[in-house]
Amino acid sequence: AQSVAQPEDQVNVAEGNPLTVKCTYSVSGNPYLFWYVQYPNRGLQFLLKYITGDNLVKGSYGFEAEFNKSQTSFHLKKPSALVSDSALYFCAVSPQGFQKLVFGTGTRLLVSP
Amino acid sequence: GAVVSQHPSWVICKSGTSVKIECRSLDFQATTMFWYRQFPKQSLMLMATSNEGSKATYEQGVEKDKFLINHASLTLSTLTVTSAHPEDSSFYICSVYYNEQFFGPGTRLTVL
Repeated sequence: AQSVAQPEDQVNVAEGNPLTVKCTYSVSGNPYLFWYVQYPNRGLQFLLKYITGDNLVKGSYGFEAEFNKSQTSFHLKKPSALVSDSALYFCAVSPQGFQKLVFGTGTRLLVSP
Repeated sequence: GAVVSQHPSWVICKSGTSVKIECRSLDFQATTMFWYRQFPKQSLMLMATSNEGSKATYEQGVEKDKFLINHASLTLSTLTVTSAHPEDSSFYICSVYYNEQFFGPGTRLTVL
């Protein structure tokens, strides 16, 4: 069975500092990996995805993620955090292409001024 | 990307009543839509896959008679929560599949 783990319920970082939100996955075959962001009482917004190719994926709003097959991880990163980045972040995996997504439990990012 | 709307954005109803939530694909025809449920401070749980012109495919543990899904057209899928109870209170989010998933803004259901 496929699963996604986000080990941190919350990540706190000061504005201007780099941020990392962790994600590990378990899936058979080659995974399709995604990061989404959710603002309060809103739907999910797509940040980036990994399907194949370069392990470092660049996405929206300056975010990037690194696919590490040996560690089965797909951590989300940003070199310099903004207060406006404060939101709930979800990692997701699709073992069958894009059709069906399995989400992690989410990590709340708080960026302090 | 695709634009997805949901209506209503929030609804409050009495226990025992039924509530219908609409999910619309505004700029393309979606043969597949997904319905998710999100509890406070928890992840999204896939409830069902809605297929235009055919019966929805429900995930294990989701009562299909309680959560009725109708995908009658390529731009509209509806989720009806029948005989709603307080434990059905949740945030319901739909998505459409167009090379990837695009999500609606969600509907917050509160059952009193």
